[in-house]
Amino acid sequence: LAKTTQPISMDSYEGQEVNITCSHNNIATNDYITWYQQFPSQGPRFIIQGYKTKVTNEVASLFIPADRKSSTLSLPRVSLSDTAVYYCLVGAYGQNFVFGPGTRLSVLP
Amino acid sequence: GAGVSQSPRYKVAKRGQDVALRCDPISGHVSLFWYQQALGQGPEFLTYFQNEAQLDKSGLPSDRFFAERPEGSVSTLKIQRTQQEDSAVYLCASSLRLAAGYEQYFGPGTRLTVT
Repeated sequence: LAKTTQPISMDSYEGQEVNITCSHNNIATNDYITWYQQFPSQGPRFIIQGYKTKVTNEVASLFIPADRKSSTLSLPRVSLSDTAVYYCLVGAYGQNFVFGPGTRLSVLP
Repeated sequence: GAGVSQSPRYKVAKRGQDVALRCDPISGHVSLFWYQQALGQGPEFLTYFQNEAQLDKSGLPSDRFFAERPEGSVSTLKIQRTQQEDSAVYLCASSLRLAAGYEQYFGPGTRLTVT
């Protein structure tokens, strides 16, 4: 399973765009990149998943360069309610999820 | 149901007691997963089921941990002779299909405190 590295914490202000980058140098051909969000006292919640290039949904965008050795989760115009821990996961169909410590995002007023 | 539910939400056990944690997955979801989350850490995989078959239990920390899903829906995680290091949040997740390529839906977790 590919190991991921992401910043331990980030601060931002309301209304700003937040980009969280995850490194996964050993990503395999069959691996997908998935991001989860977790609020205190709740289970993680799926945000977005991609394989290459760019994926966008109503919540976020995921940018994946051609070499796929990193990925960037982009949250547009964050609000206080986006304060949470964000996890980057890499794995293929049939493999189990491996969560790292995640990135603790704090959105300030 | 609308989502994954877990019970109890909180459990306090004295060291040496047995506990049973229940997970009700989303109806129709084939895969079910158990994770353990220590304070300030990401969830760690314990075991998963596809229907009633336990396909991987490599994450179970000791033989005191046992999970079952006898009818392919509700699952129970049992911890025998609890120890203080078992204190954590136990998360259950279900998925329509198997693992990484498919979105996992998590329950709120059961916070176990062993005193």
